[in-house]
Amino acid sequence: GEDVEQSLFLSVREGDSSVINCTYTDSSSTYLYWYKQEPGAGLQLLTYIFSNMDMKQDQRLTVLLNKKDKHLSLRIADTQTGDSAIYFCAETAGSSSNTGKLIFGQGTTLQVKP
Amino acid sequence: EPEVTQTPSHQVTQMGQEVILRCVPISNHLYFYWYRQILGQKVEFLVSFYNNEISEKSEIFDDQFSVERPDGSNFTLKIRSTKLEDSAMYFCASSGQSDTQYFGPGTRLTVL
Repeated sequence: GEDVEQSLFLSVREGDSSVINCTYTDSSSTYLYWYKQEPGAGLQLLTYIFSNMDMKQDQRLTVLLNKKDKHLSLRIADTQTGDSAIYFCAETAGSSSNTGKLIFGQGTTLQVKP
Repeated sequence: EPEVTQTPSHQVTQMGQEVILRCVPISNHLYFYWYRQILGQKVEFLVSFYNNEISEKSEIFDDQFSVERPDGSNFTLKIRSTKLEDSAMYFCASSGQSDTQYFGPGTRLTVL
C-alpha cells in the first residue's frame, strides 16, 4: 500500500538552510504537500507541488520533486527559531482513492538553535 | 482568512461513553475529512464525506464511528462507545474544488 517516510529529527543553526526529506511510494499521487505543526497546534498547510512539476519556490521555501526516485524535499532558507516545529510530508492516495485522502509521513522535528 | 474550527479543544471521557467531536469547515468547501493522530504516530485518515454521504473510510472507521453534517455548517464525528485506544488528536479537514485540504486545530480526546 501507500507509504510515506521521513527522517525523524533535524537540528540546524539559525540562519542556516534546512532540508527536510521525504520518500513516497504511490507514483500516481497528483499532489504532494508539506504541513507544519507547532506544539499544541493543528496542521498548517505550508506549500504543495503538483506531480508534473519538479520545483516550486515560495519565499523562503523551495520544494523539489524527483518523480523517478519518489523523493520530495523541503528547503527552508535562512531558518529562524520560529521555524522550529514538526514538518509533515503528505501525498494524495492516487489511484487507490478517488476522494483525495492524504497519506502522511511520521513527521520531521526541526530544531533551530540560536 | 477562512479557517476550519473544531470544538472542544480537549475532551476527557470515560471508557464506554459516547463522544461527539465538532467541526466547522470552510464555508464554501464541499469535501470533508476526519483524521486522527495517536501520540507519537502518524496522522491517519479516518473518513471522507461528500454530498451528504461517506465517500471513503479506512479500516479504523468501524461501526463505533459515524459522521454527520447536521446542518449547513457543522460536520461531526461520533464515537459511540469509546475505548482506551481511541485516545488521540482528531483533526477535521475540508477542501474545495482543488484537492488542497485545510485542517482545523484538532480535538485532543482522552479516554480514561
